Amino acid sequence: QSALTQPPSASGSPGQSVTISCTGTSSDVGGYKYVSWYQQHPGKAPRLMIFEVNKRPSGVPDRFSGSKSGNTASLTVSGLQAEDEADYYCSSYAGSNNLIFGGGTKLTVL
Amino acid sequence: EVQLVQSGAEVKKPGESLKISCKASGYSFTTYWIGWVRQMPGKGLEWIGIIFPDDSDTKYSPSFQGQVTLSADKSISTAYLQWSSLKASDTAMYYCARPVFSGGNPWHFDYWGQGILVTVSS
Repeated sequence: QSALTQPPSASGSPGQSVTISCTGTSSDVGGYKYVSWYQQHPGKAPRLMIFEVNKRPSGVPDRFSGSKSGNTASLTVSGLQAEDEADYYCSSYAGSNNLIFGGGTKLTVL
Repeated sequence: EVQLVQSGAEVKKPGESLKISCKASGYSFTTYWIGWVRQMPGKGLEWIGIIFPDDSDTKYSPSFQGQVTLSADKSISTAYLQWSSLKASDTAMYYCARPVFSGGNPWHFDYWGQGILVTVSS
């Protein structure tokens, strides 16, 4: 199973919005609602930001939102803040009790 | 408070065996799957597999099937990841993680251990 495809980098200025894509196939992203997004700061463990495509765990700011269209999921960060600068990973259930991650996107706040 | 506390960093030689641990607290250990994730130096996240501590049911990524073994000791609320013969390419950070939901949907992880750095070098 190949990793989900994410852009290597994304950027935006404080206050702006940025959207990160995560492209898979009908056998993973397109076939299930089990898409998550994780934020990872350097040297830290990942943090769950979005699960089941568009649900936020408690404590995650509502500036973070998720969506899916066909085989592509997206994470949108609105009102960018300096602390949003991090690596972001998507993941999706891929059937047959298998989970796959995207390659990661480095988000830079300019 | 849910906590996953992983054992300390390891330095091993190729061919050696290793078992790393993840001790859970603050919730019912036997009602949530525990997942494991690898992150090689400077690289992305890779899902290794999950184990259900109550009955030790395990699911492995095809990429890791046969390469590692997941286990759990519910008497001490601890999950394990082990290798019988390490390779240099096993050098990575290894995280354990607990899913959002108990029972049947283990595909989103909201609690993570601090990670264990495993270094395999001759």
